[in-house]
Amino acid sequence: GQQLNQSPQSMFIQEGEDVSMNCTSSSIFNTWLWYKQDPGEGPVLLIALYKAGELTSNGRLTAQFGITRKDSFLNISASIPSDVGIYFCAGQSPGKLIFGQGTTLQVKP
Amino acid sequence: NAGVTQTPKFQVLKTGQSMTLQCAQDMNHEYMSWYRQDPGMGLRLIHYSVGAGITDQGEVPNGYNVSRSTTEDFPLRLLSAAPSQTSVYFCASSSQTATNEKLFFGSGTQLSVL
Repeated sequence: GQQLNQSPQSMFIQEGEDVSMNCTSSSIFNTWLWYKQDPGEGPVLLIALYKAGELTSNGRLTAQFGITRKDSFLNISASIPSDVGIYFCAGQSPGKLIFGQGTTLQVKP
Repeated sequence: NAGVTQTPKFQVLKTGQSMTLQCAQDMNHEYMSWYRQDPGMGLRLIHYSVGAGITDQGEVPNGYNVSRSTTEDFPLRLLSAAPSQTSVYFCASSSQTATNEKLFFGSGTQLSVL
């Protein structure tokens, strides 16, 4: 079946640092999404990407939809303690979303 | 609006027991789905529904049943629980059925099967 490979699996950074994570797939997706999960909660949508090459920002977050439609990355600039959580990429397939394994981010104040 | 409501929050079962995880949404969303979350494996789709009376299998449907008798409710049934079903379960809904990317998730049910 379709799989998304997300990296890195975990990151431990200092407050104020920039963060980058990415997601690759062997399949083409028409939509890429990035979700964040806070501890004890369900994931919440951060950014949705609809076109190959698209670069979209949401505050300190920037995400890009790869030209090949098989990858995407998410950058977080000037990290703060509330950025802690698990970040998931997801690719949209007919009738379903396929999720990556997640990147766990920890921020040291 | 309450959004997507899941009950219970926590549950412990013995192997072989049955139970139903409840999910309700008050946003009039047509699309609803169930995922399970396991360490290092992300979120895997169990079953989904694009409207009342319609359900379909996801990536990991074995051991789970669903039904969709109303737009609001999408219960997940475990007929005979197994330790491999120990996981965190999330229900999610969306107003879009063809492009269902904007999923709203519930807060999860943590299930342990002993």
